[in-house]
Amino acid sequence: KAGVTQTPRYLIKTRGQQVTLSCSPISGHRSVSWYQQTPGQGLQFLFEYFSETQRNKGNFPGRFSGRQFSNSRSEMNVSTLELGDSALYLCASSKVGPGTRAGDEQFFGPGTRLTVL
Amino acid sequence: DAKTTQPPSMDCAEGRAANLPCNHSTISGNEYVYWYRQIHSQGPQYIIHGLKNNETNEMASLIITEDRKSSTLILPHATLRDTAVYYCIARSAGGTSYGKLTFGQGTILTVHP
Repeated sequence: KAGVTQTPRYLIKTRGQQVTLSCSPISGHRSVSWYQQTPGQGLQFLFEYFSETQRNKGNFPGRFSGRQFSNSRSEMNVSTLELGDSALYLCASSKVGPGTRAGDEQFFGPGTRLTVL
Repeated sequence: DAKTTQPPSMDCAEGRAANLPCNHSTISGNEYVYWYRQIHSQGPQYIIHGLKNNETNEMASLIITEDRKSSTLILPHATLRDTAVYYCIARSAGGTSYGKLTFGQGTILTVHP
């Protein structure tokens, strides 16, 4: 079974630009969560999508947005990039849904390393 | 989600058991205890989770105290590849916790030859 895939793996942008990152969950998984990891703040939750709807959101500015498609693939977008947006962006998928156990685990992808110059 | 407290670092000899403690004294009755680990530059990896009973899988054992205020993750025979940051997370199954894991600073476990 293929794991969570994220593209691209590395990205370099300049301040003011925008960026779109992609995440393909494990087949059959309907929930996709996004996280930002920086040396200073650690791993922080951005948002979660389930059945094309955002169900939960972390404490990030509106420049960070996301969406989910009918095949459960997800994208996140960061507009007007700032130097502080340089980070490892991780997505995770989980099964969730009727018949699954409460508290199903999340499976993480390898991440996209974004550098803002 | 309840706050968790972990020691910042621990060492373990290869082949010995690694016992990683976690304090979650304000955990509520519907919150699970999860453990994840992150090996350098990779995405976090799920290890195990439990509610109130002790749990064991092929990777580790989770011991939760009877009052649920603390837990211990046990790696029975640590190897060099177990060197990683280990995160203990308290999380409810739904509601405002949908899809959300709240990571603390974790414990850096270093396994020595």
